[in-house]
Amino acid sequence: RKEVEQDPGPFNVPEGATVAFNCTYSNSASQSFFWYRQDCRKEPKLLMSVYSSGNEDGRFTAQLNRASQYISLLIRDSKLSDSATYLCVVKVGDSGYALNFGKGTSLLVTP
Amino acid sequence: DVKVTQSSRYLVKRTGEKVFLECVQDMDHENMFWYRQDPGLGLRLIYFSYDVKMKEKGDIPEGYSVSREKKERFSLILESASTNQTSMYLCASSWTGTGNTIYFGEGSWLTVV
Repeated sequence: RKEVEQDPGPFNVPEGATVAFNCTYSNSASQSFFWYRQDCRKEPKLLMSVYSSGNEDGRFTAQLNRASQYISLLIRDSKLSDSATYLCVVKVGDSGYALNFGKGTSLLVTP
Repeated sequence: DVKVTQSSRYLVKRTGEKVFLECVQDMDHENMFWYRQDPGLGLRLIYFSYDVKMKEKGDIPEGYSVSREKKERFSLILESASTNQTSMYLCASSWTGTGNTIYFGEGSWLTVV
C-alpha cells in the first residue's frame, strides 16, 4: 500500500466552481500535513499547512480527518490561475526528513 | 523568504560524463534533500542530509552520490551519467521539527544523450 495516495485526475471544472480533493495516508504516526501546488515544469510550492482543527486561507480550505486518515483541500470560486497539480505531503515525526509525497491531483479550470 | 538556489537550470550531458548539481539554501536549515521527478512517478527521494558531512540514502540512490561540506550547500553527483537519469532534479531544505515543511529550489532539467 502506498504511503500517500491521491486521485491523479484530471479534474476539469468551469470557472467559479467549487472543487475538492482528498488524500489518504497509511501511517497512523503521521504528524504534519501540507498541500503544495505545482505548476507545469516548476517546483512545488507550499499552498497551506493542514491543522487538526481545519484551516482556511481565502478561497482554500484544508481539513484533516485523523480517524479516517485523510486530508482534503476545497477550492471555492475556482479561477483559471488555479490550474495546477496539487500535491499532498505527509510528515511522520519531527525529524524533518520523513516526508511522504502523493503523486498529485491535476486541476484544470476552464473558461 | 526562504531561498533554495540550484545553480544549473538546464543541462545536456553525454552518457558517461560526470555531472554535478549544486544547491544552496540561505535559511540555515539542518536538512537538505535531492529528489527527482518523472511523469507518472511523482517525487522520489535520492539522498538527504541532516547535518554537515552526514548523508542518508533515499529511495533511489543508485547511480548518485552527494556531498555536504557546508551547511548551506548540498551537491548531487552523477558519477557516470546514463540516459535513464534524464529527469528534473529538485533540491529542497527544511528545519527539523513538527510542522516545519520543506522548500524547493526551481529545479534542474538534465538531459543525458
